[in-house]
Amino acid sequence: SQQGEEDPQALSIQEGENATMNCSYKTSINNLQWYRQNSGRGLVHLILIRSNEREKHSGRLRVTLDTSKKSSSLLITASRAADTASYFCATADIIQGAQKLVFGQGTRLTINP
Amino acid sequence: ETGVTQSPTHLIKTRGQQVTLRCSSQSGHNTVSWYQQALGQGPQFIFQYYREEENGRGNFPPRFSGLQFPNYSSELNVNALELDDSALYLCASGRRDRDSPLHFGNGTRLTVT
Repeated sequence: SQQGEEDPQALSIQEGENATMNCSYKTSINNLQWYRQNSGRGLVHLILIRSNEREKHSGRLRVTLDTSKKSSSLLITASRAADTASYFCATADIIQGAQKLVFGQGTRLTINP
Repeated sequence: ETGVTQSPTHLIKTRGQQVTLRCSSQSGHNTVSWYQQALGQGPQFIFQYYREEENGRGNFPPRFSGLQFPNYSSELNVNALELDDSALYLCASGRRDRDSPLHFGNGTRLTVT
């Protein structure tokens, strides 16, 4: 079963605009992570936000976390064509000491030049 | 530092056959995890290895098995292949720390006919 659910499933914007993707989850978490995937290749870690944090920045990325609403958002500012990819949120469950990431279905982002 | 590498990149097998996928972890990492990603879906956790032992498993049958070697490289073995096993198989390495992000390889695309 999938914990995180991204919204929207697909997003198409013009280069230079901001892109916002949302993620909702169901159970308590240790942390929430965002990953990017280009054309069915490997996932690239973007940012990790701990359950006791509310906002985090990394370059053009801004992530918020609202544990009371069990939701997170990823904002990409001043988008570029190279940002075209699928974006996944993942919640981290700890099972037998192992960190198991539970991914949503992702948001497919297309940046039009 | 070297990244996570997987081999082969593509593989075609027949239903009922067995397959072995390989992964070389990133240096400095001591855990390796495997994920299955069906087309259009988010990755699903298969299992994680630490100190050469499986220490966390997702909802996958026993015909999915793995090995981790002393140099932290890893194998994923799948017996009695089924058509639904067709997917992108992703290996990810990390550190045994609940707030440590995972580093993914580019995956092996397995097609079962």
